[in-house]
Amino acid sequence: KQEVTQIPAALSVPEGENLVLNCSFTDSAIYNLQWFRQDPGKGLTSLLLIQSSQREQTSGRLNASLDKSSGRSTLYIAASQPGDSATYLCAVYFGNEKLTFGTGTRLTIIP
Amino acid sequence: DAGITQSPRHKVTETGTPVTLRCHQTENHRYMYWYRQDPGHGLRLIHYSYGVKDTDKGEVSDGYSVSRSKTEDFLLTLESATSSQTSVYFCAIRIDSNSNYGYTFGSGTRLTVV
Repeated sequence: KQEVTQIPAALSVPEGENLVLNCSFTDSAIYNLQWFRQDPGKGLTSLLLIQSSQREQTSGRLNASLDKSSGRSTLYIAASQPGDSATYLCAVYFGNEKLTFGTGTRLTIIP
Repeated sequence: DAGITQSPRHKVTETGTPVTLRCHQTENHRYMYWYRQDPGHGLRLIHYSYGVKDTDKGEVSDGYSVSRSKTEDFLLTLESATSSQTSVYFCAIRIDSNSNYGYTFGSGTRLTVV
């Protein structure tokens, strides 16, 4: 069964620190992996999309990496800000016509 | 950005009544999806469509049906709503560009079944 796991479920860090969120998946034959952000009571906002042929993608203070052989992706957030507080979701497209989600990491940045 | 809207945004309904949620896209993307989001379960796929009148089941399809008579609209129907269907429902489209399969989500419909 193709599964996506995100650990930890919740994370709190002081403002200004760099941090890493983790995502693991069970099948290395992926098409792509997408990181989303979700604020409480809101929809999903796409942050970064990494194709299977890529090793990383960057957008501003965010950097996502992909290691297919180990079944892992990380989302690196530099110089964290209180506005970064949200739930971060990792989703994998295994090529089976649907996106499979992890259960997310709830991030709190402490001012 | 691909335009995708869901309606209604909020709905309260009684057990046993049928309910239809609508997803509308402004571009001609082939793939559309309905997910539900529940605490502890994350997002789970209900149904998806790969073209007009072409649909398939996801992992939690029992009690739901879908229809897609036009490319831009994908309807989700709860045939007889139950309390277990209280959830937040998200519609999504898959944007196929140069074999890059990225997904865009709507803002969600919060459904409460009482």
